[in-house]
Amino acid sequence: AQKVTQAQTEISVVEKEDVTLDCVYETRDTTYYLFWYKQPPSGELVFLIRRNSFDEQNEISGRYSWNFQKSTSSFNFTITASQVVDSAVYFCALSEEGTNAGKSTFGDGTTLTVKP
Amino acid sequence: DAGITQSPRHKVTETGTPVTLRCHQTENHRYMYWYRQDPGHGLRLIHYSYGVKDTDKGEVSDGYSVSRSKTEDFLLTLESATSSQTSVYFCAIGTSGNLAYNEQFFGPGTRLTVL
Repeated sequence: AQKVTQAQTEISVVEKEDVTLDCVYETRDTTYYLFWYKQPPSGELVFLIRRNSFDEQNEISGRYSWNFQKSTSSFNFTITASQVVDSAVYFCALSEEGTNAGKSTFGDGTTLTVKP
Repeated sequence: DAGITQSPRHKVTETGTPVTLRCHQTENHRYMYWYRQDPGHGLRLIHYSYGVKDTDKGEVSDGYSVSRSKTEDFLLTLESATSSQTSVYFCAIGTSGNLAYNEQFFGPGTRLTVL
């Protein structure tokens, strides 16, 4: 069965600090997809990134970067020079091919608070 | 803007009453999902649809049914609401052609309170 663990329930940093949000997943499939979503205090859910299991290249988008390591089953998310607007709940999610296709599993989320 | 609306946005109901939540999309995407969000549980999949009249159960489907008679509408029904179904319900659409590969775009959510 697929599983996503976000062990950090809450993180608090001061503006301009770097912060890494951890995501560890479990799956038996060889083909799967990993996602990050953001939920700001306003409540909407926003898609950030998708990674497939065959692409371990790290990705950078502005102040955001993602580190995918199959060897440790992790897909960590780093925010560089954090800003108050980064305050949100961040969810990691996993989707498998095969019989479970469509049944995405989300982690419980990490609440990030960035203080000015 | 993925063109997803949910109605109602807020609802208070009593235990034992039926409740239907509606998700509407304007872009004719094939895949639609219903999730519930509860404190400490993240998002949990209730049901999803991969086409008109094609649906499947998710992780927490007990007590819920769905219907999709048109591409644009995905209805979630609580046949007899219970207090444990008090939650925020999110609808999502999948915009790519692969069920597993889909990034999902979410509606604004419906806050349901069952007294």
